[in-house]
Amino acid sequence: LAKTTQPISMDSYEGQEVNITCSHNNIATNDYITWYQQFPSQGPRFIIQGYKTKVTNEVASLFIPADRKSSTLSLPRVSLSDTAVYYCLVGEGWTDKLIFGTGTRLQVFP
Amino acid sequence: EAGVAQSPRYKIIEKRQSVAFWCNPISGHATLYWYQQILGQGPKLLIQFQNNGVVDDSQLPKDRFSAERLKGVDSTLKIQPAKLEDSAVYLCASSRVAGAYEQYFGPGTRLTVT
Repeated sequence: LAKTTQPISMDSYEGQEVNITCSHNNIATNDYITWYQQFPSQGPRFIIQGYKTKVTNEVASLFIPADRKSSTLSLPRVSLSDTAVYYCLVGEGWTDKLIFGTGTRLQVFP
Repeated sequence: EAGVAQSPRYKIIEKRQSVAFWCNPISGHATLYWYQQILGQGPKLLIQFQNNGVVDDSQLPKDRFSAERLKGVDSTLKIQPAKLEDSAVYLCASSRVAGAYEQYFGPGTRLTVT
């Protein structure tokens, strides 16, 4: 299976903007890109999804370039409660199997 | 609306024993997923159901794992016999639409095989 890669960890301070990128070189043509947040001992929680260009909701933005081989989750003005692991989820090309990214552990400091 | 329910939350068994996990998805969600999440890794899809039919079970170790979704609602995942490497959190998720769309996850079952 193709690998969907993310930076292992990122540090930030409260109030800053954080951008987390996911590389998915072999993404299914017709599938969305979805991002999740996971706290310890909990299941992942949906944040945002998109197909192309830019999507924004009340908590985040998602940027997807035209070739769709990567995506960037943007968290504006993070707080301590945003400390968590963030995953992207894509459908793999050829097989359309669902693959989670390797995960990015975000640590927010006061 | 009620979330995805899973039970048990924790299970400890010895290797070669069997274990079963139960999942009740959100009402009206046709698609149900079982994932395995090993500590420090992202979830790995084991099996995906659309109503009561299997869409993808390519990563399910079929010599020891089985899953069913009778009547297209609740689902059960079974491991028999368990191995040490099966120690992980087993997550159930459901969604209205299949694919990399918005999925709702349950709290998971943490399995420890000794």
